[in-house]
Amino acid sequence: GAVVSQHPSRVICKSGTSVKIECRSLDFQATTMFWYRQFPKQSLMLMATSNEGSKATYEQGVEKDKFLINHASLTLSTLTVTSAHPEDSSFYICSVPDGYNSPLHFGNGTRLTVT
Amino acid sequence: EDQVTQSPEALRLQEGESSSLNCSYTVSGLRGLFWYRQDPGKGPEFLFTLYSAGEEKEKERLKATLTKKESFLHITAPKPEDSATYLCAVQRSGTYKYIFGTGTRLKVLA
Repeated sequence: GAVVSQHPSRVICKSGTSVKIECRSLDFQATTMFWYRQFPKQSLMLMATSNEGSKATYEQGVEKDKFLINHASLTLSTLTVTSAHPEDSSFYICSVPDGYNSPLHFGNGTRLTVT
Repeated sequence: EDQVTQSPEALRLQEGESSSLNCSYTVSGLRGLFWYRQDPGKGPEFLFTLYSAGEEKEKERLKATLTKKESFLHITAPKPEDSATYLCAVQRSGTYKYIFGTGTRLKVLA
């Protein structure tokens, strides 16, 4: 299955600053990547679908101006949390499907703490 | 509405004590049901895919089964290293989207 690398694994930032998280598909060309958010003891919530060469598709309730997604190549998608606030603190995980009828393969996540 | 419910929320087992985790789902047209293992602070790790009722998959001490309404993850003679959160997800036909349950936190005591 696809090998997914996500960086950074942890980041602490001050309120009002922006943070960029990278997700790379190391051995698979991914036209689609997914970004999830996970709160403690809760399910993975899909934030957006990242589409190579076009605009991301955001789930209902997710602010696209706050969570900027760029999928500039078949191996890299980035999520930028703009003007971060403490309530944005969470665990963000990207994933890559290695085929339409195949499982998702996940990065190791990014723990974002906004102070 | 598509929904995935996992039970129990948490489970403590003694080493060697077999048990089963449940994943009940409601989806209009199941394309696949997936089981994942997630360790603290890590992304989910893929375990199994099941596509149709009656299907079974096995890997070491784990066995996954599927019916039209639910899936079970059977853990036989678990070891402490099996301690993790086990997540179930379904994919609806015609979509790339996956719907996840909230997971079962398994703790296996030595």
